Amino acid sequence: KAGVTQTPRYLIKTRGQQVTLSCSPISGHRSVSWYQQTPGQGLQFLFEYFSETQRNKGNFPGRFSGRQFSNSRSEMNVSTLELGDSALYLCASSLFYGAEYNEQFFGPGTRLTVL
Amino acid sequence: GENVEQHPSTLSVQEGDSAVIKCTYSDSASNYFPWYKQELGKRPQLIIDIRSNVGEKKDQRIAVTLNKTAKHFSLHITETQPEDSAVYFCAAPSPGTYKYIFGTGTRLKVLA
Repeated sequence: KAGVTQTPRYLIKTRGQQVTLSCSPISGHRSVSWYQQTPGQGLQFLFEYFSETQRNKGNFPGRFSGRQFSNSRSEMNVSTLELGDSALYLCASSLFYGAEYNEQFFGPGTRLTVL
Repeated sequence: GENVEQHPSTLSVQEGDSAVIKCTYSDSASNYFPWYKQELGKRPQLIIDIRSNVGEKKDQRIAVTLNKTAKHFSLHITETQPEDSAVYFCAAPSPGTYKYIFGTGTRLKVLA
C-alpha cells in the first residue's frame, strides 16, 4: 500500500506571498491532520479533516486554512507569509476519526522557507 | 485541553547504555500514549504505544511505562545502538477531540 505523499517537497517563498501544500493519504484513510514542525517546538497541530469537514483546529492564525476533497486528499493554504512560517509541514493520515487508538501515518513533509 | 511536556530535549548515551525519555500530561482522562521516532530527514513513525489499562509494554529493546496517578509515561531503550539516534516524540490524544498533542521532542545521540 502506498504511503502518505506530500507535494511539493520543498518551497521557497517571500514574505507576503501565499502557498498551497498538498497531501494524499493512504488509500482508505479518511482522516488527514496537518502539523507544523519547527526546531524546539516539536509538532504543533494545525487542523484535522474528515469527510471533507474540519473537525479540529489548533492555535494558529486565520492565515492558515485547509480543505479536504471527496477522495480524502487535503490541501493547506498559508496566506500573507511571514518569516516565522518557515517550517516543515507534515500531514498525517489515519483510518478513523474520533478514536483514541488511531495511529497517525506521516508523509515526508513539505519544507517551506520564507525569505 | 491536553498539554504534554517532554524531557530531556537532548540526550547523549554511549552505545550499549540505556536511554530514558519522560513525558507528563495534564488531562487525567487521557487513555492512549504513543511514541514516534523521527530519523534525520525522515518522517515520524510510530514505534510503540501504551493504553491506560496496562502499566508497561515491551517490544524487544524498547519499553514504555505509564504511571496514571502521576500522569507521566516514559520510553526506555536498552542496549542502545547507533541506529537508535533520532528525535523521539511522545503524544497524547486530547480527550474528547482526539487531536494529537505532541511533546517537543528528544534528540537522542548514541555515541559509538
